[in-house]
Amino acid sequence: NAGVTQTPKFRILKIGQSMTLQCAQDMNHNYMYWYRQDPGMGLKLIYYSVGAGITDKGEVPNGYNVSRSTTEDFPLRLELAAPSQTSVYFCASSSRVGNTEAFFGQGTRLTVV
Amino acid sequence: AQTVTQSQPEMSVQEAETVTLSCTYDTSESDYYLFWYKQPPSRQMILVIRQEAYKQQNATENRFSVNFQKAAKSFSLKISDSQLGDAAMYFCASCSANAGGTSYGKLTFGQGTILTVHP
Repeated sequence: NAGVTQTPKFRILKIGQSMTLQCAQDMNHNYMYWYRQDPGMGLKLIYYSVGAGITDKGEVPNGYNVSRSTTEDFPLRLELAAPSQTSVYFCASSSRVGNTEAFFGQGTRLTVV
Repeated sequence: AQTVTQSQPEMSVQEAETVTLSCTYDTSESDYYLFWYKQPPSRQMILVIRQEAYKQQNATENRFSVNFQKAAKSFSLKISDSQLGDAAMYFCASCSANAGGTSYGKLTFGQGTILTVHP
């Protein structure tokens, strides 16, 4: 059982470039999330989805876009990368609110230069 | 909105000893969950323990236990018989339990505490 799979694990982008971080889960979870973790800090929510076709903004959505066409996949799109987007990005999923454990991918370390 | 504060950027403990990591939170929700996550150098986020706010009994998972003080909005993690493998960043997190509202399992994290275990 793969759980939550993120690709790539590392990426270096130049300022102004775009890219998509991929996230897939095989647990049939309804809820999926994208978080970013800046150095020495906790995770902050970028976007989340409660099911296919339904997404909403989190705490720090500026500069990002998401889509959820299937239950399994939840890609995060960065348009016009900026140095402020240098961070570690985590995708997570859960089957229902709160008591159920949120499963995390292994993260993508993104550097924008 | 929820906020979570971890006031200890770093802690250290001798192997086999006990250490307590502090966490305070603030929420307007009537029901919520609290979590401790461990993040080793591999970056993987690992759930250590969780507490349901409506339960008065403190959660325990093997060597890990919590001291949940609801009135004080405090949620500390105690690690007993510390092992070298416990060395990691530890995050306290909260989540509203209201599925019918705007929670949807969104986690609010503290800033983290780096735990060093000395042999």
